[in-house]
Amino acid sequence: EPEVTQTPSHQVTQMGQEVILRCVPISNHLYFYWYRQILGQKVEFLVSFYNNEISEKSEIFDDQFSVERPDGSNFTLKIRSTKLEDSAMYFCATRGGLGNTEAFFGQGTRLTVV
Amino acid sequence: AQSVTQLDSQVPVFEEAPVELRCNYSSSVSVYLFWYVQYPNQGLQLLLKYLSGSTLVESINGFEAEFNKSQTSFHLRKPSVHISDTAEYFCAVSPTGANNLFFGTGTRLTVIP
Repeated sequence: EPEVTQTPSHQVTQMGQEVILRCVPISNHLYFYWYRQILGQKVEFLVSFYNNEISEKSEIFDDQFSVERPDGSNFTLKIRSTKLEDSAMYFCATRGGLGNTEAFFGQGTRLTVV
Repeated sequence: AQSVTQLDSQVPVFEEAPVELRCNYSSSVSVYLFWYVQYPNQGLQLLLKYLSGSTLVESINGFEAEFNKSQTSFHLRKPSVHISDTAEYFCAVSPTGANNLFFGTGTRLTVIP
């Protein structure tokens, strides 16, 4: 069964450091997403990516965040200068098409900023 | 704008008892509706979805959800739960033709032996 793979599973970083979270989408999927889940809170949308550009982003996704798909396979989320409040579980999701097609989620990367 | 409300953050229930997890949504446009499940230390998995047609949708493991347009609800039910159903359940909506999924805050279902 196809799956979305995220690495690392857990990352600890010091405040102010840059982190890159990686996701390998399901091949032939066209839509890519990043979500985050702060401990005990809901899953929040960060950004969607289609055709090599951001198609939508939330208020959370400020200038500290960026996404790219540098080699046509990995889909990365970069946080330029981490803050304590960035500590969360980050989920990558991919979708084959719009609307009614299922979004497949990775197992998540737990980011801990100290 | 869309929003999803899951009123119950935690639902404990005894094994083999019925359960209902509530989900209400608001949206200015028509939506697709989803339930996702998150087992401990795993990612989210699609449990079932409503796109159109019959308002009652079922999953392979005995869950069902009914879309009620007048009450803007999509409650999840199971007539008899198992220990293995212990998980976090998230209701989500996606505006038709749009890109995103919007999630509720989740309901932690704990099945007690």
